[in-house]
Amino acid sequence: NAGVTQTPKFRVLKTGQSMTLLCAQDMNHEYMYWYRQDPGMGLRLIHYSVGEGTTAKGEVPDGYNVSRLKKQNFLLGLESAAPSQTSVYFCASSYGQGTSDSTGELFFGEGSRLTVL
Amino acid sequence: SQQGEEDPQALSIQEGENATMNCSYKTSINNLQWYRQNSGRGLVHLILIRSNEREKHSGRLRVTLDTSKKSSSLLITASRAADTASYFCATVSWAYSGAGSYQLTFGKGTKLSVIP
Repeated sequence: NAGVTQTPKFRVLKTGQSMTLLCAQDMNHEYMYWYRQDPGMGLRLIHYSVGEGTTAKGEVPDGYNVSRLKKQNFLLGLESAAPSQTSVYFCASSYGQGTSDSTGELFFGEGSRLTVL
Repeated sequence: SQQGEEDPQALSIQEGENATMNCSYKTSINNLQWYRQNSGRGLVHLILIRSNEREKHSGRLRVTLDTSKKSSSLLITASRAADTASYFCATVSWAYSGAGSYQLTFGKGTKLSVIP
């Protein structure tokens, strides 16, 4: 059982380039999330999805776009990368949000380290 | 802004001692969760406490929640060197500006070092 898989694990971009981070989960989870983690800032929510075909903005959505065309995949795109987007990106998924009978537990990928020069 | 704020930012203790980390948050929540992150790895879920609960236990972990003070604490008893990691609280609250769902947001974390 692979859980949550992120690709690529490392990437170096030049300012203005575009790229897509792919997150795949094999647990049939409804909810998927993209976070960025910067030193001293903890994890900040970029975008999330509550089901196939849905997306919503989180705390820091500017400069990013997302798509959830298939339930198992959640893509994070950077159209024109900026040095401020240098960060470690984490994808997570969950069956629920702990609001009823679900545990609300998030399962995380191992992260994608992005450097924008 | 981030919902949860952990305190202290860093904690160093001897193996066998207890470690206590605190989390404060700003708005009403549905539940609060604690996660652990080993250096360079993804986060791992430890425990969830709902807004109508005051205390939960899981092995050497004890979590308390005080909704009147908007705060939670995580206690790790009899710490081990393997407990060295960063610990994050995460709150689940209604996302009024989002997709009409709950939103989970993390604090900045407490870095725990357990010295053998």
